[in-house]
Amino acid sequence: DAKTTQPNSMESNEEEPVHLPCNHSTISGTDYIHWYRQLPSQGPEYVIHGLTSNVNNRMASLAIAEDRKSSTLILHRATLRDAAVYYCILRGNNNDMRFGAGTRLTVKP
Amino acid sequence: DAGITQSPRHKVTETGTPVTLRCHQTENHRYMYWYRQDPGHGLRLIHYSYGVKDTDKGEVSDGYSVSRSKTEDFLLTLESATSSQTSVYFCAISGRGAAFFGQGTRLTVV
Repeated sequence: DAKTTQPNSMESNEEEPVHLPCNHSTISGTDYIHWYRQLPSQGPEYVIHGLTSNVNNRMASLAIAEDRKSSTLILHRATLRDAAVYYCILRGNNNDMRFGAGTRLTVKP
Repeated sequence: DAGITQSPRHKVTETGTPVTLRCHQTENHRYMYWYRQDPGHGLRLIHYSYGVKDTDKGEVSDGYSVSRSKTEDFLLTLESATSSQTSVYFCAISGRGAAFFGQGTRLTVV
């Protein structure tokens, strides 16, 4: 199964943009890139997903490299409530979804 | 909320006893998943289902079995619970796009 690589942790200041990177060099042509986040003591929460084109929704933007071997989740203005573990995963034709360790985002006031 | 309910939310059981966790959905989604999460770690896939009576193993399936006899319910069974299965268990449901997670079941095996 294709895997993803993310930094263990990142810090951001409140109200500043945050760019969370994800590498997926073995991605196949039919794999979707999904992002989820997990706030303390909660279940994971869907953030965004895409295949090839950049995607925007009310929570975030997803920028996908032209070769699809990396992607970046963009939070346009971080708030304290965005502090969470962010997971980048690939979802392929078999539809199993395997999570890595994710990136722990700390937002400083 | 995405129409997904896990039960029970908390359970304490003794080593060697069977335990069944239930995931119930009202969204008619095709895919359902069971994960476990241990302190300080990410989620690990136990089993998943891609339709009624269609299931497959995940990363950590040993000691666990699943059943899906109808679309809305996905059951996770620990045939003989061990202390290493003490964990928080999450169920997820999905159609073709986003997945939605339940609130989790905290299982303690003593």
